[in-house]
Amino acid sequence: DSGVTQTPKHLITATGQRVTLRCSPRSGDLSVYWYQQSLDQGLQFLIQYYNGEERAKGNILERFSAQQFPDLHSELNLSSLELGDSALYFCASTALQGSYGYTFGSGTRLTVV
Amino acid sequence: GENVEQHPSTLSVQEGDSAVIKCTYSDSASNYFPWYKQELGKRPQLIIDIRSNVGEKKDQRIAVTLNKTAKHFSLHITETQPEDSAVYFCAAHSVGDDKIIFGKGTRLHILP
Repeated sequence: DSGVTQTPKHLITATGQRVTLRCSPRSGDLSVYWYQQSLDQGLQFLIQYYNGEERAKGNILERFSAQQFPDLHSELNLSSLELGDSALYFCASTALQGSYGYTFGSGTRLTVV
Repeated sequence: GENVEQHPSTLSVQEGDSAVIKCTYSDSASNYFPWYKQELGKRPQLIIDIRSNVGEKKDQRIAVTLNKTAKHFSLHITETQPEDSAVYFCAAHSVGDDKIIFGKGTRLHILP
């Protein structure tokens, strides 16, 4: 157990639907990062939050949004889902901003049918 | 923004031999370079990292080297074992950009 908790582990939903993925960072970690990993693909950075504020944005689609709550957990909202959104979504956390290694959660496998 | 290139995409080595994975980065301001190992269906796990003020770092059978001038860094695994089979990702963190950018990964196969 890495200390970063992601729920649910698996999610199957239909095209056009909306889902919410949840991430609880390690105790004491203020930064949360979201990554998307499609089949046999690398880790694509989506968005980062630090202590409740958005700090960096990657190639995140407009249909996707995220937030970090006062208790530091984060949610990634995916709407108007398409088949191509099927992927593993990882959350990672680190204590501080800057040059520190991430600890990844176990991921949420999203399947859009 | 930062761009990280990783080679090769697939690597097969005989058990006991060494494996080398190479990465280049584009942003000269990058100062932190972690390596992650991802086994099938599992989360990426940090295996070693190096900062820009260091040229080499070693941890048992794993070593990483960094050439700041050329903007490339490499992972070396010696005496490879079956459990080294996985996908390895290099990454770079830029000082001015608070995110880690990953290479596309190298699938390492250790042959018996």
